[in-house]
Amino acid sequence: AQSVTQLDSQVPVFEEAPVELRCNYSSSVSVYLFWYVQYPNQGLQLLLKYLSGSTLVKGINGFEAEFNKSQTSFHLRKPSVHISDTAEYFCAVSVEGAQKLVFGQGTRLTINP
Amino acid sequence: GAVVSQHPSWVICKSGTSVKIECRSLDFQATTMFWYRQFPKQSLMLMATSNEGSKATYEQGVEKDKFLINHASLTLSTLTVTSAHPEDSSFYICSARQGFYTEAFFGQGTRLTVV
Repeated sequence: AQSVTQLDSQVPVFEEAPVELRCNYSSSVSVYLFWYVQYPNQGLQLLLKYLSGSTLVKGINGFEAEFNKSQTSFHLRKPSVHISDTAEYFCAVSVEGAQKLVFGQGTRLTINP
Repeated sequence: GAVVSQHPSWVICKSGTSVKIECRSLDFQATTMFWYRQFPKQSLMLMATSNEGSKATYEQGVEKDKFLINHASLTLSTLTVTSAHPEDSSFYICSARQGFYTEAFFGQGTRLTVV
């Protein structure tokens, strides 16, 4: 069965600094990978997705992620964060042919002024 | 992106009563809908997967008689928490997918408080 590990439960960063949120997955078959953001008391919003093609994926709000099959990783990056990026970020994987998404534990990104 | 609307956004009910939460896909037909439960500062816990016109598939440990899921159409799924108790208080989130090779779109979530 597939699983997702987000290595950092919390990441504090200063405003305008770069950030990387790490995500590793385990699966023996082809996967589809997603990053979602959750603001307090709200549902999840899709940041970006990897289904196929280019391994570097660009998403909304200046975020990007790179699919690395050999390292089974899908780390999320942003070159310069803003206060408004403070939120919970979830990495998720879907195995080809499967209906459900499997979520990581989440990473709380805190931006300090 | 596609829109999933969840209603109500919050509800307070008395212990022993039932509460229904609706999840609608507004601009696409959702072949599959999912219901999650989220505890404070934790990840989403999948409760069940539902396909239109068929019985929901519940995850291990989720009481199907307590959390009734109905997927009556390609745009509507409902979760009914029956005989609610304070321990059922939580944040419930629905999501919908249009097929296997697409992302899931999420509702705004429902904060349930049982008093």
